[in-house]
Amino acid sequence: GENVEQHPSTLSVQEGDSAVIKCTYSDSASNYFPWYKQELGKGPQLIIDIRSNVGEKKDQRIAVTLNKTAKHFSLHITETQPEDSAVYFCATTVGQLTFGKGTKLSVIP
Amino acid sequence: DAGVTQSPTHLIKTRGQHVTLRCSPISGHKSVSWYQQVLGQGPQFIFQYYEKEERGRGNFPDRFSARQFPNYSSELNVNALLLGDSALYLCASSSGLAGNNEQFFGPGTRLTVL
Repeated sequence: GENVEQHPSTLSVQEGDSAVIKCTYSDSASNYFPWYKQELGKGPQLIIDIRSNVGEKKDQRIAVTLNKTAKHFSLHITETQPEDSAVYFCATTVGQLTFGKGTKLSVIP
Repeated sequence: DAGVTQSPTHLIKTRGQHVTLRCSPISGHKSVSWYQQVLGQGPQFIFQYYEKEERGRGNFPDRFSARQFPNYSSELNVNALLLGDSALYLCASSSGLAGNNEQFFGPGTRLTVL
């Protein structure tokens, strides 16, 4: 089945700096790549997604890039704020979602 | 608009017991998926239901079962509970069956097995 690797597992940045989280996947049939943010005690919240016919997508301070040849995609958060602190998950889909193990992002004020 | 709702919020059971978890999807969504999230890990797919039929199953034992009702709400049942079943159980709804449809998650049910 699909295998999704996510790095780093933890990330600490100063408020205002950028954060980058990277994921690789194994199944070349994957065609949908969402990113979720999970705060303590809550379910995952979809923050941005990209489909295989697009290389990059941006929504305000958040952007996602996709390289299908290399089978990797990344989440970029600019001008980080304390409220960005959470666990972030990448996922791919071939039928159903397969998640990475998550990245705990801490934004230090 | 109401999002995905799940009940109960928390549940404590003992080994060998049975549990039923419930989920109501976003209005208009016909697909419900269930995931298990063990502490410190990403959610792992258990089932997908669409139009009351099972459309996908993850690598979970037969102790896990589910169903979807005519109003598209869903139940997840787990029999003969094991300590390792302790986890956050998440329900997600989407408008369609295709894997590239956006999935929206509920807050989850925290199950503790003693």
